[in-house]
Amino acid sequence: QQQVKQSPQSLIVQKGGIPIINCAYENTAFDYFPWYQQFPGKGPALLIAIRPDVSEKKEGRFTISFNKSAKQFSLHIMDSQPGDSATYFCAAEVDNYGQNFVFGPGTRLSVLP
Amino acid sequence: ETGVTQSPTHLIKTRGQQVTLRCSSQSGHNTVSWYQQALGQGPQFIFQYYREEENGRGNFPPRFSGLQFPNYSSELNVNALELDDSALYLCASSWGGVHREEYFGPGTRLTVT
Repeated sequence: QQQVKQSPQSLIVQKGGIPIINCAYENTAFDYFPWYQQFPGKGPALLIAIRPDVSEKKEGRFTISFNKSAKQFSLHIMDSQPGDSATYFCAAEVDNYGQNFVFGPGTRLSVLP
Repeated sequence: ETGVTQSPTHLIKTRGQQVTLRCSSQSGHNTVSWYQQALGQGPQFIFQYYREEENGRGNFPPRFSGLQFPNYSSELNVNALELDDSALYLCASSWGGVHREEYFGPGTRLTVT
């Protein structure tokens, strides 16, 4: 119940395409859902996050869609660029409960020029 | 780049030895979380320190321990190292004892031989 499932494991798109990464969770107590971007040899960097009272959030070219009833959320990257090639992780947290923070297994994205 | 720094960058230890990893949090943050990231996997939450107290712990044995200092920097100590402890160890800082707006350091790569 503490897991976050993420798919696909890897994704290849052409420049300008819109890669979509999906995550699903079981624990309905989760109430904060961030996405992180990680380049090789670097720590994860916070991209965008959403709370379950919002169905969509956009920041620049990154959009999170959230479906509370289905317990699913996804990351869309508009007009993808080769520089977006990285590993993306979704995560989930229960508010004010320090130990309940889990990451998905990651999606390796390659954007071809 | 975040203001979170970690030392050392790389470390090689022998099975059975002990290791101490260090983390300096971003200015204004009072919470530090530690994660273990095995190759090709998502980060796994080890524990969190908030105002110098352990604020939550993931599924890691007691030989993983930590400290947080009055300036909010932190140490991760691992005793009786095992081969499976080889991983990238990440620290992240935030404010308020939760994982919201959490910023990661570059990590320490630990190799146990």
